[in-house]
Amino acid sequence: GQSLEQPSEVTAVEGAIVQINCTYQTSGFYGLSWYQQHDGGAPTFLSYNALDGLEETGRFSSFLSRSDSYGYLLLQELQMKDSASYFCAVRSMDSSYKLIFGSGTRLLVRP
Amino acid sequence: SAVISQKPSRDICQRGTSLTIQCQVDSQVTMMFWYRQQPGQSLTLIATANQGSEATYESGFVIDKFPISRPNLTFSTLTVSNMSPEDSSIYLCSVGTSGRPTYEQYFGPGTRLTVT
Repeated sequence: GQSLEQPSEVTAVEGAIVQINCTYQTSGFYGLSWYQQHDGGAPTFLSYNALDGLEETGRFSSFLSRSDSYGYLLLQELQMKDSASYFCAVRSMDSSYKLIFGSGTRLLVRP
Repeated sequence: SAVISQKPSRDICQRGTSLTIQCQVDSQVTMMFWYRQQPGQSLTLIATANQGSEATYESGFVIDKFPISRPNLTFSTLTVSNMSPEDSSIYLCSVGTSGRPTYEQYFGPGTRLTVT
């Protein structure tokens, strides 16, 4: 089976940098993804790490270390609109490519 | 990218009844997925809807409770059968983009179900 653990809640101030961690136990996966979900909205894709290392997309960066069973999402120059829930997810190695989601982190950005 | 619509957007149903949720995608996709998300919780995969064959269900979910149809490459339905208040949740349809280096899954807006 697979389990992905995240902190339940993180609070940060506008303009700051925040890191959301994801530790996982899984028998194998293709890559680690991150999704953002605003209240009442659908999850939207942020980033994908197929390999170990850092992927940067604008203000968002994501990191994966398979040897440490660990990844994180880094959000820079926080804005109020970044207040949302963030989920890590692993892509399964079977032919379905299904995503299994982590427990989720609620980020609150304060002025 | 893929644009996904779901119907209904929300419903209030009585226990013991069934509700069928429709998912329409604007392009042909191989894999469609159904997730459940209870308020404040993560997304739990119910099943993978395969075109031309039976759906593949995750542990804890059975076909009798959540029958799924997938008549073509752009459409799927999920039925929540014999509902109880524990089935109150948001049900999300999703499609994947297999074969691309950056794997993304797109989600529909969800169906908010309340069972009384």
